[in-house]
Formats: sequence, structure tokens, C-alpha cells
Amino acid sequence: KNQVEQSPQSLIILEGKNCTLQCNYTVSPFSNLRWYKQDTGRGPVSLTIMTFSENTKSNGRYTATLDADTKQSSLHITASQLSDSASYICVVSDGAGGYNKLIFGAGTRLAVHP
Amino acid sequence: NAGVMQNPRHLVRRRGQEARLRCSPMKGHSHVYWYRQLPEEGLKFMVYLQKENIIDESGMPKERFSAEFPKEGPSILRIQQVVRGDSAAYFCASSPPGQGINQPQHFGDGTRLSIL
Repeated sequence: KNQVEQSPQSLIILEGKNCTLQCNYTVSPFSNLRWYKQDTGRGPVSLTIMTFSENTKSNGRYTATLDADTKQSSLHITASQLSDSASYICVVSDGAGGYNKLIFGAGTRLAVHP
Repeated sequence: NAGVMQNPRHLVRRRGQEARLRCSPMKGHSHVYWYRQLPEEGLKFMVYLQKENIIDESGMPKERFSAEFPKEGPSILRIQQVVRGDSAAYFCASSPPGQGINQPQHFGDGTRLSIL
């Protein structure tokens, strides 16, 4: 069964600190892995997209890594800001049928405190 | 460029009524996806449409739910005879035609459906 699991479920950090969120997946066939940020009451916004051959991708203070062999990914947030408070969702596309059928994790809820 | 627009943002219905959710994709986008998010759960794929065609509806319940994306106008997700279990946030995403498999899907801010 195709699944995406994230940890921790929730996380509280102080402003300015770094943090790392984890994602494990069992999706086959694998096409790409995405990280989205979802603010409360809003839709998800894409942060990074990585294919099988990519190990790391950055978007400002966000850096995602991918180990396709162990089927693990991480999202590292550097020098956190209050505006980083949101849910971070790991999403895997199986690519079957030639289009992006996305399988979502339940997300990690991050709270950044001053 | 306006993003993906969904309306209404909030919808309240009584059991047995019909709910119609609308999604206007980004300009130039002809692929639309619908997802459902139950409280404390991740988004779940429901249906994928291109203009006038349903490509994959494997995530949509066979009864009471239907979706369309006409040549003109927004995509519509229709839920007939709603039940309490239909209460959820429904998100629409769009992507442009001829997309590579690694293109992002752009999401709207969802419709929160509450069933009394």
C-alpha cells in the first residue's frame, strides 16, 4: 500500500533556531517527492520538488534531501522565523498513468515561538 | 496572475441537501485535481480532470459524488444528499497543459464544507 509517513507530528522551536522534519515513504513506482507548506486555513504551497536522481534541493532557508534507496526525505529549516509556523507536508508522486497522482503525508505542525 | 480560485470558502448544508464546490484554475491551466482533507488527516486524491474529460476518478466515492470541468467555466465538484461524514476541506489544484511529470500543482485555499 502506498504510504507517506512524517515525523514528528508536531514541533515547537524558538525563533532563530534550526529544525529538521522527516519523511518516510513506501510508494511505487516513484516519480518525485515534494515538500509543501500549508498555513492554517490556506492551501498548500510548493517548496521543493525532487526527482529520483536528486539528493538535495534548496529554496531560500528550506533545504530538502532525498535518499531514494532508503526511501527517506528530510526538510531542514534554517534560522526559523515566526512566519514559518505552519504545517509542512511531504508528498510523493507515483507517476503512474503519466501524470502526478499525489500521495500526501499527514504533515508536521511547526510552531515557532519568539 | 490570479491563483487558483475556489468558492465558496465556507459552505454549510443540512443532511440530504446538495453541495456544489467551484474551482477556477490558474489562467492557461487545463488540468484540475480535487482533493479532500479530513480533520487531522492528509489530503486525499479524489479526481483528475482535463477540459471536458475525467481522466482518473479512482479516489472519488462511486455514489453521490461527481465532478466536471466544462469547456467554458469553472470545474465543479458536486455532492448529492450530503451526510455528516462529508464534512471536510475540499481543495482544488491546477497545472498547465503539456506539463512535465515534475511540475508543481498550484492549490486553491479550499472550501470548508460543514454538514449540520
